[in-house]
Amino acid sequence: DQQVKQNSPSLSVQEGRISILNCDYTNSMFDYFLWYKKYPAEGPTFLISISSIKDKNEDGRFTVFLNKSAKHLSLHIVPSQPGDSAVYFCAASDGTYKYIFGTGTRLKVLA
Amino acid sequence: SAVISQKPSRDICQRGTSLTIQCQVDSQVTMMFWYRQQPGQSLTLIATANQGSEATYESGFVIDKFPISRPNLTFSTLTVSNMSPEDSSIYLCSVVDPQTGNTIYFGEGSWLTVV
Repeated sequence: DQQVKQNSPSLSVQEGRISILNCDYTNSMFDYFLWYKKYPAEGPTFLISISSIKDKNEDGRFTVFLNKSAKHLSLHIVPSQPGDSAVYFCAASDGTYKYIFGTGTRLKVLA
Repeated sequence: SAVISQKPSRDICQRGTSLTIQCQVDSQVTMMFWYRQQPGQSLTLIATANQGSEATYESGFVIDKFPISRPNLTFSTLTVSNMSPEDSSIYLCSVVDPQTGNTIYFGEGSWLTVV
């Protein structure tokens, strides 16, 4: 049973526009969420996090929104740049430091 | 954040052999983990590497196949034993950021291809 899902395997966005990547989870015990960017054959790079006590967190061009009642989080990238083209993973933990990762969304930013 | 180095970065291995991956962190960390990413798949936690004691394995992973050592707070190894083509994956070492206590950071990964 996939506890963390990213239902869009891919997304294409024009440079300068907003990219919205979505993530759904099923376990109500998850209380900390992370987003990573990953290039092929490299380790994931941490982007931004959010705790369940918040509904929004911003860091530069990246904003993460959390809707606990819907068990849904989203990552907004504004403005999108060609260098943002990568696979994005969301991850969730119930406080044990063991993270469950989503299946990933491949973002392509078109110049 | 901690700097995490892994060796080898990539290797091509013969079926039936074993390979040991090393993970070195530039600072002492309490919690260290090993993940696997099979081609086209998500990241899956293999085990928690415990300093001074046996690793804690997740469901579907066993010590005989993936023995782990953690001799101190800055170093760990993962061995992939008796490899088959299904073991072709990126193996990733990760640590909990001691400053935030919640974020995990990854090494650059070790890409193994079993032929």
